Amino acid sequence: EIVLTQSPATLSLSPGERATLSCRASQGVNSNLAWYRQKAGQAPRLLMYDASNRAAGIPARFSGSGSGTDFTLTISSLEPEDFAVYYCQQRNNWPLTFGGGTKVEIK
Amino acid sequence: EVQLLESGGGLVQPGGSLRLSCAASGFTFSSYGMTWVRQAPGKGLEWVSSTSNSGGSTYYTDSVRGRFTISRDNSKNTLYLQLNSLKAEDTAMYYCAKASASATSSPFDYWGQGALVTVSS
Repeated sequence: EIVLTQSPATLSLSPGERATLSCRASQGVNSNLAWYRQKAGQAPRLLMYDASNRAAGIPARFSGSGSGTDFTLTISSLEPEDFAVYYCQQRNNWPLTFGGGTKVEIK
Repeated sequence: EVQLLESGGGLVQPGGSLRLSCAASGFTFSSYGMTWVRQAPGKGLEWVSSTSNSGGSTYYTDSVRGRFTISRDNSKNTLYLQLNSLKAEDTAMYYCAKASASATSSPFDYWGQGALVTVSS
């Protein structure tokens, strides 16, 4: 099973600041990595797929990079709705796995 | 508009059974793989099971294999998850999710609002 480790566990930032989230895979997943945002009390929403492609309707302040084992999600300027929990997920191998999440909270 | 509506959650005793349903609309259901993801209270997301668009291929996480069964009825646009031999650690919100492309493992572009399963005596 591929283990995804997200860091940091919590990120304390102010609106307008830049957020950089990391996801590291225990073995290579090529570019088969997605990112989701989950607001409190809601279902997750797909942000990025194949490491660097924005999903439909996702604003340009979100960007993703990486391949193999190291991936990054960057939010260039935090909006109020971005304070949430973010998960990475790999689809390179079964079983599909999620990272443990990074909570982006208001500083 | 794509909609996924889960039902069938509830309180069940350890060792009991439950069947979750996910009614889909707004897309050609038979063309996409479907998945169940769960989230224990206050915890992260955990992939549970996936099925191909035809239902001919199914996949399970180890902790539920042999106890849970995923299935689909493409004539009814409905996804199912049969949960048997339930344990306390199965307590979670169960989400159904749609694959974004033809591959069963494609990222999940639409999610339901979830069905809560509580296993307790």
